[in-house]
Amino acid sequence: DGGITQSPKYLFRKEGQNVTLSCEQNLNHDAMYWYRQDPGQGLRLIYYSQIVNDFQKGDIAEGYSVSREKKESFPLTVTSAQKNPTAFYLCASSKLRESYNEQFFGPGTRLTVL
Amino acid sequence: RKEVEQDPGPFNVPEGATVAFNCTYSNSASQSFFWYRQDCRKEPKLLMSVYSSGNEDGRFTAQLNRASQYISLLIRDSKLSDSATYLCVVQRQDTGRRALTFGSGTRLQVQP
Repeated sequence: DGGITQSPKYLFRKEGQNVTLSCEQNLNHDAMYWYRQDPGQGLRLIYYSQIVNDFQKGDIAEGYSVSREKKESFPLTVTSAQKNPTAFYLCASSKLRESYNEQFFGPGTRLTVL
Repeated sequence: RKEVEQDPGPFNVPEGATVAFNCTYSNSASQSFFWYRQDCRKEPKLLMSVYSSGNEDGRFTAQLNRASQYISLLIRDSKLSDSATYLCVVQRQDTGRRALTFGSGTRLQVQP
């Protein structure tokens, strides 16, 4: 089955620690995205990548880093510089077309900073 | 002002009712429009795209009014399984990034 996987589903971290969230897709999509969702709010874009070895900052990139060494993989690192990292993190992917780019989401990772 | 605005609800309706959600967007460069559904503590899933001419998928009808910059979703004959949060989503083409901008969502609770 094609799809997007994220791991782990739940993650607990102590303040001051970096943590990396995994995102893998086997849909052969060129574009991948990371969003963050806080309770009662919409999703906000952290980083996105449209091609291997290239990525761009989204609206709330501070305190996060990403890499795109393979088409299938787009891991997100939440660094200790992120002031309020507790949130629901969602990875998505899509084809790249001129218009209508439906994005498919992974099941998400819930990060809690203790 | 948020780029995409929705009434957060909740909308509490009985089974079989018809319910409508509206959404407004502020950026006229928005080109593509979608409704996503998100169940509690799950990822969003595409419900339907919204086309200029309006489109229907079973009990769901989506409309777009570009002049007024709003999008609507109509659900007829509500089912208990329709209970979820409905996210209005727009995609801008001018920035080249093709990422989606999400509204905060409208929560629907269908009651027996």
